[in-house]
Amino acid sequence: DTAVSQTPKYLVTQMGNDKSIKCEQNLGHDTMYWYKQDSKKFLKIMFSYNNKELIINETVPNRFSPKSPDKAHLNLHINSLELGDSAVYFCASSPWTEAQTNYGYTFGSGTRLTVV
Amino acid sequence: AQKVTQAQTEISVVEKEDVTLDCVYETRDTTYYLFWYKQPPSGELVFLIRRNSFDEQNEISGRYSWNFQKSTSSFNFTITASQVVDSAVYFCALSEKGGSEKLVFGKGTKLTVNP
Repeated sequence: DTAVSQTPKYLVTQMGNDKSIKCEQNLGHDTMYWYKQDSKKFLKIMFSYNNKELIINETVPNRFSPKSPDKAHLNLHINSLELGDSAVYFCASSPWTEAQTNYGYTFGSGTRLTVV
Repeated sequence: AQKVTQAQTEISVVEKEDVTLDCVYETRDTTYYLFWYKQPPSGELVFLIRRNSFDEQNEISGRYSWNFQKSTSSFNFTITASQVVDSAVYFCALSEKGGSEKLVFGKGTKLTVNP
């Protein structure tokens, strides 16, 4: 069973469209994240949620709106897509506390978004 | 604020050579976690190791070894007898305090192992 799964794996869309990326984890983790990897491979956090509550919002344009219907899911909706949004988006999850022996960050396989 | 520096952008070696990937970190916390991830050409992020700030023991896992030195704020990664399958981008990362804190990545080192 895949621990952190994202869909779709590839997404090609035109400028101005709205799109969503879905993420689900079956690890029982309390915290989920979205990371963006740009064309130079730099990985930067965008958001984190703990048990459906927004914890981190790293000055991401408000065209990006995360939604967490429950602690196992964290979706990313992007409005009015721009060329600069083209990147690979990774979902990740971790336990709430490092005291848990399985502490670590587990990443999904990524969604390659291409805006044309 | 935390910061991770991987000064080596790209490294190219010939198979069977040993190679060390450098990682230097900055943090004001006394409790923190360091990680290494591998990103092969297929694109997924593969967890390699986690080390907490209270455990400076070096670790060896097969051909991989890690050297953690708090005195120099470094967490270097060595691959012994490199293989073509080791070709990937390697990321060092830092999490302050742990728990739900964000993971801050270095810019990565692209390793190419030539046959």
